[in-house]
Amino acid sequence: GENVEQHPSTLSVQEGDSAVIKCTYSDSASNYFPWYKQELGKRPQLIIDIRSNVGEKKDQRIAVTLNKTAKHFSLHITETQPEDSAVYFCAAVGNEKLTFGTGTRLTIIP
Amino acid sequence: GVTQSPTHLIKTRGQQVTLRCSSQSGHNTVSWYQQALGQGPQFIFQYYREEENGRGNFPPRFSGLQFPNDSSELNVNALELDDSALYLCASSQGGHALSSTRVRGYTFGSGTRLTVV
Repeated sequence: GENVEQHPSTLSVQEGDSAVIKCTYSDSASNYFPWYKQELGKRPQLIIDIRSNVGEKKDQRIAVTLNKTAKHFSLHITETQPEDSAVYFCAAVGNEKLTFGTGTRLTIIP
Repeated sequence: GVTQSPTHLIKTRGQQVTLRCSSQSGHNTVSWYQQALGQGPQFIFQYYREEENGRGNFPPRFSGLQFPNDSSELNVNALELDDSALYLCASSQGGHALSSTRVRGYTFGSGTRLTVV
């Protein structure tokens, strides 16, 4: 089955700096890659996604890149703000299943 | 949205538990996930038109139901301490819910936190 690895597990950045979270996947058939933000005690919320026919997608301060050849994709958050502090999960969709990474705890230092 | 009940639950090892999920209006597919503390959600199974149409690596003591109104139950028998986790359901459309054109409608409930003592 699909295996999604996510790095780093924790990340602290100064407010205003950029944060990058990286994921790799194993199943070449995976064709959709969403990113979720989960605040403490709350449900995962979709923040951005990318499909396999696209290499990059941007939504305001958030961008995602996908390298299908290398089977890795990354989340980029620019101009970080305190409210960006949360756990972020990457995920891959293949074989009718949504497989999550292990999560990155992002802390924004004021 | 997607609603789950109860929000919190404490059970004793060996007991059985039933968790409930009401899907978002218009969604006919429900998936269940187990999220242990500090980990990502793990896929348990998915239901479409009252039948299971996908399953993760969970033992048979994890079972489910989907009802004609598309709501769903997750049942866990013979509870073990390691079953302590946040259980999330997600609803979506289409049955082949993870087809690329439909996943964007994937909506999570707020979860049930199960503690097994």
